[in-house]
Amino acid sequence: EVQLVESGGGLVQPGGSLRLSCAASGFTFSNFAMSWVRQAPGRGLEWVSVMSGSATNTYYRESVKGRFTISRDNSKSTLYLQMKSLRAEDTAVYYCAKSLDIVVASAMSPWGQGTLVTVSS
Amino acid sequence: DIQMTQSPSSLSASVGDRVTITCQASQDISNYLNWYQQKPGKAPKLLIYDASNLETGVPSRFSGSGSETEFTFTITSLQPEDIGTYYCQQYNDLPWTFGQGTKVEIK
Repeated sequence: EVQLVESGGGLVQPGGSLRLSCAASGFTFSNFAMSWVRQAPGRGLEWVSVMSGSATNTYYRESVKGRFTISRDNSKSTLYLQMKSLRAEDTAVYYCAKSLDIVVASAMSPWGQGTLVTVSS
Repeated sequence: DIQMTQSPSSLSASVGDRVTITCQASQDISNYLNWYQQKPGKAPKLLIYDASNLETGVPSRFSGSGSETEFTFTITSLQPEDIGTYYCQQYNDLPWTFGQGTKVEIK
């Protein structure tokens, strides 16, 4: 069974940093692109970033470029999201999600349970 | 960015009813359109990919159709466990974008 378990969320002050992790199991991790998607409280879904299976291709939404860094350790089947210079508008539940296919551009399934990041003083 | 507009934003229907949600893209996205279900307090779940393909394990009462800019998601016979919010999502162009969601309730 494919499982994704996020961790690392918490309360952080504006301007602070946080690193999220997503531990994967049940599939050959290096064969699939992985994404981060966030959801602000009471709001809709917002795609954040995606990384190819080999880590050669990465993409970000404009509002997080230069502040967030996606990475992966295929030997540990783990995806990361390093977040710095955090802002109040980054407050959200962050989900990691597996690409349905080997290519970066595909549907996302399944998703992890999410980890809450709260940016507040 | 490609804008995805869903309608309606919410609906209330009876068990057994046919439910239809539409999603309009601001530009041609071919068939690069997915549908997700999010139950309260849970992570989203993929139901339909590439506009009309049913994800493995998803009940056949769910279906999708459309191409280019107009897409439709249908539940042929609404069940109590189908309550939640449904989102369309395009991946034709970065950034991938979602519709604002359609909240489905039981009447």
